[in-house]
This record gives sequence, structure tokens and C-alpha cells, in this order.
Amino acid sequence: GEKVEQHESTLSVREGDSAVINCTYTDTASSYFPWYKQEAGKSLHFVIDIRSNVDRKQSQRLIVLLDKKAKRFSLHITATQPEDSAIYFCAARSGGSNAKLTFGKGTKLSVKS
Amino acid sequence: DMKVTQMPRYLIKRMGENVLLECGQDMSHETMYWYRQDPGLGLQLIYISYDVDSNSEGDIPKGYRVSRKKREHFSLILDSAKTNQTSVYFCASLLGDIPSYEQYFGPGTRLTVL
Repeated sequence: GEKVEQHESTLSVREGDSAVINCTYTDTASSYFPWYKQEAGKSLHFVIDIRSNVDRKQSQRLIVLLDKKAKRFSLHITATQPEDSAIYFCAARSGGSNAKLTFGKGTKLSVKS
Repeated sequence: DMKVTQMPRYLIKRMGENVLLECGQDMSHETMYWYRQDPGLGLQLIYISYDVDSNSEGDIPKGYRVSRKKREHFSLILDSAKTNQTSVYFCASLLGDIPSYEQYFGPGTRLTVL
């Protein structure tokens, strides 16, 4: 089955700098790659996604890049703010109709002011 | 406002007791999920439900079972709980299929098995 590896377990940046979180996946049939954010003590919520028919997507300060050849995707958070501090999870949806997401283990991002 | 609810939010049980975790959604979503989250392990999928009485094992189904008798309710049952089932359990529902696969998560249930 699909395996998703999230390369940074922790990341610390200064306010205003950019943060980059990298993930790799194994299933070439995966076609959907979302990112979720979990603030301390809270649940997860969706932040941005990308589909395999594009290689870049931006939503305000969030940019997702997808490199299908390398089976790698990344989340870029520009102009970081303290409220960006959270755990970020990448995920991949396998091909087929079983609606299953495989999550990475999460990256704890700390934005220091 | 789309909402997924979970009850109870906190639960302490003794080893060998039965556990019932409940999840509800008011969005008529067909597909629902149960995950567990452990430090350093991310989210692990326990079960998927595609609709009433249409359930499928996830990656770690052993020791768990589920029940979905109404579209808006999805229950996770632990028969004879074990200490290694201490975890935070999240329920989620799927917004829809194409073009969005966004999952909505409930607030979680923190289960401690002593």
C-alpha cells in the first residue's frame, strides 16, 4: 500500500521567514495530496491540497509543489506568523475509489517572534 | 457550518472493559473514518465506512469494530480494551468525491485504558 514519509519531524523558523515541509510517497497511482494543520490540543483541519494534474498551487501564503517524477511534494509557508505554529500533516490518496488517505507522521512547526 | 461531533471527549477505562466511541455528522456525508493518533506516528486509519452497513478495514483494524446504522452516526467499539489502545481517536467525514476530497475531523476522544 501507499507509504508517505514526512522528512522533517520538527522545524523552527523566525517570524517572517519561509518554512518548507517535504513529503515523499511511494504509490505512482496516487493523485491527490492534501495538507492538514493541527494546533496544540485541537483537531485537524484542511489547509490546502494539490492534484496530480498540476505541479503548483497557491492559496494566500501557502504554496504546494508537486514533483511526480520524484514522488515528492512540499508545503511552503511564506511570511510566517506565530499563528502558523502547529503540526502539519501531509497525505496522499491512493488510486482507486476507496477514499483512503495515507498520512505522514507530522511536522511540528514553531514560529518564533 | 459543517460539523463532526464526538462523544465522549475524554474516557478512562480499565483493561478488559468495553468501550464505545460515537461520532456524528450533520452533513449527510456518505464516507466516514475512524483514526487513532499516537505521538510520533501520525494518524493511522482504523476503519472506513462508505455508507450504512458498508464498512471496510483500514490499516490497523485489529481489536476494533465499527457500526453504522444511520448515515449520520458512526461508532467505534473496543471489545475488551487493552492498554495499548490508549490513544486519541478521531472521526472524520468526507466532504465529497471529485473535485474535493476534503475530510472534516471531529474534536477527538482521548481514551486511557488502565
